[in-house]
Amino acid sequence: DAGVTQSPTHLIKTRGQQVTLRCSPKSGHDTVSWYQQALGQGPQFIFQYYEEEERQRGNFPDRFSGHQFPNYSSELNVNALLLGDSALYLCASTPRQGQETQYFGPGTRLLVL
Amino acid sequence: AQKITQTQPGMFVQEKEAVTLDCTYDTSDPSYGLFWYKQPSSGEMIFLIYQGSYDQQNATEGRYSLNFQKARKSANLVISASQLGDSAMYFCAMREGGSNFNKFYFGSGTKLNVKP
Repeated sequence: DAGVTQSPTHLIKTRGQQVTLRCSPKSGHDTVSWYQQALGQGPQFIFQYYEEEERQRGNFPDRFSGHQFPNYSSELNVNALLLGDSALYLCASTPRQGQETQYFGPGTRLLVL
Repeated sequence: AQKITQTQPGMFVQEKEAVTLDCTYDTSDPSYGLFWYKQPSSGEMIFLIYQGSYDQQNATEGRYSLNFQKARKSANLVISASQLGDSAMYFCAMREGGSNFNKFYFGSGTKLNVKP
């Protein structure tokens, strides 16, 4: 049973560029959430997708956008990268019903220079 | 106000001893869930234990137990018989409401070091 997978594992970009991160949820899960974890801090909720729509959003600017595909996988897009966007980006999945926890992927480490 | 507060940036414990990691939370929602995750240096968040707000008994999962004191709004993690592999960051998290649609709030974490 495959867990949550994310790609790429590491990424280096320069200020102003755009980046796309990818996530495949755990088998049987249809809800995907994205988090940003800056160094030395706890994860901060970015947004959550279910049925290909954004259902919840945290306090992040519109530069952060996402998408969910019919197979439940998801993308996180960040435009006009800033140095402060450097972080570990975590994807988590849950089934819509019947499960109390979310399962996390290994994360993508983004460095913006 | 912070939703989740972890006041111990770092903790040391001797191998085979028990350790308690503190967590307090803030919510006015009567339905919520409390979670603990372990994050090794590799970065992946590993689910450890869950406590629902309506659960009458404290949750236990192997060597992990959650000391849930609802009136004090605390949800401390107790690790018994510490092992060297327990050295990691530990995060307390809360989900408000009874739906998986609700977002999770995380604390700032506690770095646990287990000494041989």
